Amino acid sequence: AQSVTQLDSQVPVFEEAPVELRCNYSSSVSVYLFWYVQYPNQGLQLLLKYLSGSTLVKGINGFEAEFNKSQTSFHLRKPSVHISDTAEYFCAVSRGFGNEKLTFGTGTRLTIIP
Amino acid sequence: ETGVTQSPTHLIKTRGQQVTLRCSSQSGHNTVSWYQQALGQGPQFIFQYYREEENGRGNFPPRFSGLQFPNYSSELNVNALELDDSALYLCASSGTGIKGYTFGSGTRLTVV
Repeated sequence: AQSVTQLDSQVPVFEEAPVELRCNYSSSVSVYLFWYVQYPNQGLQLLLKYLSGSTLVKGINGFEAEFNKSQTSFHLRKPSVHISDTAEYFCAVSRGFGNEKLTFGTGTRLTIIP
Repeated sequence: ETGVTQSPTHLIKTRGQQVTLRCSSQSGHNTVSWYQQALGQGPQFIFQYYREEENGRGNFPPRFSGLQFPNYSSELNVNALELDDSALYLCASSGTGIKGYTFGSGTRLTVV
């Protein structure tokens, strides 16, 4: 079975500052990794995904994440945040083949301070 | 291309009642999954359908059931509603060779 730990439930950041949202996973098999964003009263939007290959993955809205197999981490980063980045961010993992179910972390609420 | 559409957007039901939630998957997608997201929590996997057959189930009781139709749209049915069933229900679709899911905006179910 897979599990995901998002170490920070809330992260306040000043506008235009960099941010890192942390995600660690546990799995006995190879995995696919995902980051989703959820704006208030909306569904989930895919930010980026790691399937294989380059460990640095670039996504939408200027976000990127780095897969670190030895540390079983997939941290999300953005060099300069904007007010519009205020949202809930979820890290998710699935087994590394087919269309397996997603196992989500509990989420990190990113709040941008003007 | 159309995305994933869920209906209704909001619903209020009384404890003990039954509810049906609907989902139209993205064009070309043949796999549909349902997730329950309680307030302040991450989504929890309920079950998945592939070509009209259940293809995996999470830790939910049998009163949670589903269907997938030939056009790959789907329904989630919940019988004997309990207060703890109050949550956002998310539908997600995917297709052969596609890694990852497209999510709908969800149905907010309130059980009173």
